Amino acid sequence: GENVEQHPSTLSVQEGDSAVIKCTYSDSASNYFPWYKQELGKGPQLIIDIRSNVGEKKDQRIAVTLNKTAKHFSLHITETQPEDSAVYFCAATDYSSASKIIFGSGTRLSIRP
Amino acid sequence: NAGVTQTPKFRVLKTGQSMTLLCAQDMNHEYMYWYRQDPGMGLRLIHYSVGEGTTAKGEVPDGYNVSRLKKQNFLLGLESAAPSQTSVYFCASSYQGTGGEAFFGQGTRLTVV
Repeated sequence: GENVEQHPSTLSVQEGDSAVIKCTYSDSASNYFPWYKQELGKGPQLIIDIRSNVGEKKDQRIAVTLNKTAKHFSLHITETQPEDSAVYFCAATDYSSASKIIFGSGTRLSIRP
Repeated sequence: NAGVTQTPKFRVLKTGQSMTLLCAQDMNHEYMYWYRQDPGMGLRLIHYSVGEGTTAKGEVPDGYNVSRLKKQNFLLGLESAAPSQTSVYFCASSYQGTGGEAFFGQGTRLTVV
């Protein structure tokens, strides 16, 4: 089955700097890669996703890149702000089959003022 | 529009007791999931359902049972609770299964003493 590894587990950056979180996956059949943000005391919420036929996707200050050959994908947050402080999860799954969404272990991002 | 609602939000159980966690969604989603979240381990899939009357095992199904008698409800049962089941439980639902956004509930914090 699918296995998703996520690094780093914690990340602290200065406000205004960029943050990068990296994930690798094991199942070559995976073709959908969402990223979720979890704020304290809440459930995770989707912030951006990418499908296997796309190498990069951007939404304002957030971007995701995918390298299918190497089986890794990354989340990039530019011009970080205090409200970006949260736990971020990557996930991987096969769009067409088992319907299981497998998550990474999470990254706790802290933005220093 | 309530989205995904979990009941209860908090619960303390004694070892050996049983309980049922209820997840209800009002978005007419076909797919529903139960996850547990433990520090440093991210979100691990317990069981999932791809439609009314169907259930399937996830990554960590042992000690749990589920039922999906109605499309809008997904129940997670613990027959004989153990301290290892102390965790935060999240329910999620999605329309397109693996290819669509998963919406999460607020979580249930369960402590087994």
